[in-house]
Amino acid sequence: AQKVTQAQTEISVVEKEDVTLDCVYETRDTTYYLFWYKQPPSGELVFLIRRNSFDEQNEISGRYSWNFQKSTSSFNFTITASQVVDSAVYFCALSAGGYNKLIFGAGTRLAVHP
Amino acid sequence: KAGVTQTPRYLIKTRGQQVTLSCSPISGHRSVSWYQQTPGQGLQFLFEYFSETQRNKGNFPGRFSGRQFSNSRSEMNVSTLELGDSALYLCASSSSGSLNTEAFFGQGTRLTVV
Repeated sequence: AQKVTQAQTEISVVEKEDVTLDCVYETRDTTYYLFWYKQPPSGELVFLIRRNSFDEQNEISGRYSWNFQKSTSSFNFTITASQVVDSAVYFCALSAGGYNKLIFGAGTRLAVHP
Repeated sequence: KAGVTQTPRYLIKTRGQQVTLSCSPISGHRSVSWYQQTPGQGLQFLFEYFSETQRNKGNFPGRFSGRQFSNSRSEMNVSTLELGDSALYLCASSSSGSLNTEAFFGQGTRLTVV
């Protein structure tokens, strides 16, 4: 079975705090892809990052960084020095065993307060 | 480059009616996927089309159907609407059919069934 778990339903932080969003996945496939998407109030899902199962290198993009650990089946997302514009719902997703089929976690709603 | 366009943005229908939603992918993209987003079930995969062929289908009843045209535009149809079909329907397009292809999402069609 394939599954993505985002245990944190809502997180509230004050601007400039660092925040980590957790993602744990399950799959029996050896080849798979992990994604993070951001959903602002407008509704569309905005692509943030894609990682394949053979690349465990961590990645940093500006204030965003991702930590992929196959040993714990986790793909966590950290926002450094959070800003109000980061307020959104963030989804972790898994693609495996099928064509362009994304299995999403329940999402984490992040609220960044001034 | 125009993004993924979904029409209409909002729709109100009565129980028992049917509805057709439209998705125009990014130019050149041949894969279109549909997702249903509800507060209770989250984001769930409906189906995926590639070059006019349905390649993958989620766990939804037969009332949910779709098709893709030769220009890659896609429609999804829901017949005999139920209250539980009220949701945000998101369409995603990608350039190919492989797992590692980034999916670009539209802003969705918010369907309300009364």
